[in-house]
Amino acid sequence: EAGVAQSPRYKIIEKRQSVAFWCNPISGHATLYWYQQILGQGPKLLIQFQNNGVVDDSQLPKDRFSAERLKGVDSTLKIQPAKLEDSAVYLCASSLIGGSYGYTFGSGTRLTVV
Amino acid sequence: GQSLEQPSEVTAVEGAIVQINCTYQTSGFYGLSWYQQHDGGAPTFLSYNALDGLEETGRFSSFLSRSDSYGYLLLQELQMKDSASYFCAVRVNNDMRFGAGTRLTVKP
Repeated sequence: EAGVAQSPRYKIIEKRQSVAFWCNPISGHATLYWYQQILGQGPKLLIQFQNNGVVDDSQLPKDRFSAERLKGVDSTLKIQPAKLEDSAVYLCASSLIGGSYGYTFGSGTRLTVV
Repeated sequence: GQSLEQPSEVTAVEGAIVQINCTYQTSGFYGLSWYQQHDGGAPTFLSYNALDGLEETGRFSSFLSRSDSYGYLLLQELQMKDSASYFCAVRVNNDMRFGAGTRLTVKP
């Protein structure tokens, strides 16, 4: 089966600019997650979708981050405006159902804010 | 809230056995997972323990003690390709929370 697709692979922007990341999960996976991984740290959950509904966005900085999964398939994560501390790898993962223990991760988007 | 603690770095030689420990504090605990991540790569699922005891998958084994809030990942017959970061993660309700990771370096 095809894996989790993410684009772009790399992105460099200036602070206060906006940026968007795209994710296409494994076909049939109802649950989609966005994680932020800062260099040297573990992934931190930003938001979890079940189909096109938000299950958990308690750690999403809602003043600058937004995410949507309109048709219950692919998803977009946006940052506007970006700050230097947003430099990280943004990982998308999917699982067949919520509560699954084995997620499939995409390769991530490495964001550098200068 | 929840916290997970694991060593930041471990070094071992090829062919050896290494154990990476993980202690956790969390509410609503459902199970402990382990992921492997090579530099620049995606985290890859290795194993999951919901109940106490040892789970074996090839060269990798994972152990959980719920009463001690403790688990470990055991890697046997180490190979150079095992050099990577290893993350323990706890499933809390419907999502996964990750530790900071242990960087394993395998030397010849």
